[in-house]
Amino acid sequence: GAGVSQSPSNKVTEKGKDVELRCDPISGHTALYWYRQSLGQGLEFLIYFQGNSAPDKSGLPSDRFSAERTGGSVSTLTIQRTQQEDSAVYLCASSLDRPLANTGELFFGEGSRLTVL
Amino acid sequence: AQRVTQPEKLLSVFKGAPVELKCNYSYSGSPELFWYVQYSRQRLQLLLRHISRESIKGFTADLNKGETSFHLKKPFAQEEDSAMYYCALQGAQKLVFGQGTRLTINP
Repeated sequence: GAGVSQSPSNKVTEKGKDVELRCDPISGHTALYWYRQSLGQGLEFLIYFQGNSAPDKSGLPSDRFSAERTGGSVSTLTIQRTQQEDSAVYLCASSLDRPLANTGELFFGEGSRLTVL
Repeated sequence: AQRVTQPEKLLSVFKGAPVELKCNYSYSGSPELFWYVQYSRQRLQLLLRHISRESIKGFTADLNKGETSFHLKKPFAQEEDSAMYYCALQGAQKLVFGQGTRLTINP
């Protein structure tokens, strides 16, 4: 497809379980971002990848959160021992280059809605 | 520190009335600012960027460095403008977003 693809679109899990969220960016986009969207918090930056490396992971809320990117393409966000406060929509975005080359345009996926019971 | 503040979580106006969504920022350098929009059941997408000085769907936004503001305006609101709007500031390697404003246009 032409757009950023995320899976699963919805995930319901029990507190304490681990979850993996996947992002497939637009082909050729070297930069990949994870954001978290929740009521009252807006869009929170989590982590940024350039290629397979993560120069900025300052937004990861705790060591239960980790992410990786392989082959300069697909990225996986892993949340271990989920808590109820992790419930949110996790958005992935990609851009052609860094540092956004003054275009400011990120292309977002539809998001993965995580519900922790 | 880079920060974006959107003071209104909810904004409701009538069709045909003027709309202004407020955005204030904190940034020590020369700011690059943007507005993103998310319509119902659609992806978050770029609406406009200040550097382009463009008008998109009748919306404009002027960067006011003295007031550190980048308010989004439209003279006559339309029902299809109902959406979630986010103001964003370009940081060193990422966009920093505000909390968002949900705009509802009443018929």
